[in-house]
Amino acid sequence: DGGITQSPKYLFRKEGQNVTLSCEQNLNHDAMYWYRQDPGQGLRLIYYSQIVNDFQKGDIAEGYSVSREKKESFPLTVTSAQKNPTAFYLCASSRAGLGKTQYFGPGTRLLVL
Amino acid sequence: EDKVVQSPLSLVVHEGDTVTLNCSYEVTNFRSLLWYKQEKKAPTFLFMLTSSGIEKKSGRLSSILDKKELFSILNITATQTGDSAVYLCAVELDDMRFGAGTRLTVKP
Repeated sequence: DGGITQSPKYLFRKEGQNVTLSCEQNLNHDAMYWYRQDPGQGLRLIYYSQIVNDFQKGDIAEGYSVSREKKESFPLTVTSAQKNPTAFYLCASSRAGLGKTQYFGPGTRLLVL
Repeated sequence: EDKVVQSPLSLVVHEGDTVTLNCSYEVTNFRSLLWYKQEKKAPTFLFMLTSSGIEKKSGRLSSILDKKELFSILNITATQTGDSAVYLCAVELDDMRFGAGTRLTVKP
């Protein structure tokens, strides 16, 4: 059963705390992406990775960090430097190359306490 | 199980044609339905629909939601080659469910 999973479904963060969102895919996709969605807005690209051990900043990378040590996994850390982290975070994957269809996970809602 | 189904999966038309893309869903806790256009990297937001029967329009694109029959359509009139892309439908629940997308190719 191939797919892309994200965990947890809901995540609560205290002020000044770093939190890590998990994204795993078993689709054998080379590329993975992290997006942020705020209410009533579209997706904004945080980071993306076209290949293992390499990643690039998207449009709103400040306050976030990622790693790509394995093809299947692309965790996103929301650092304390991100001043407005409350949002819905979506992970996606695709075959290599721009313009390939992206497959999305179910998302993680991050809330600040 | 929540699911979102888009049809057709791919479509090839000529410039000037009108196309209709379909998105049907079976979900619990429906909040909204969103349409995106994906060309290179990040999908571009097109529409968010929450109410039945109210058409949203932006230029040559329009979309409408039917919450009774559980589907939405995206219309593109007078298509241009720049409309070539994958069009994604997503339904917002407590989380999000995306359809597989419709790949539209517009030939000159």
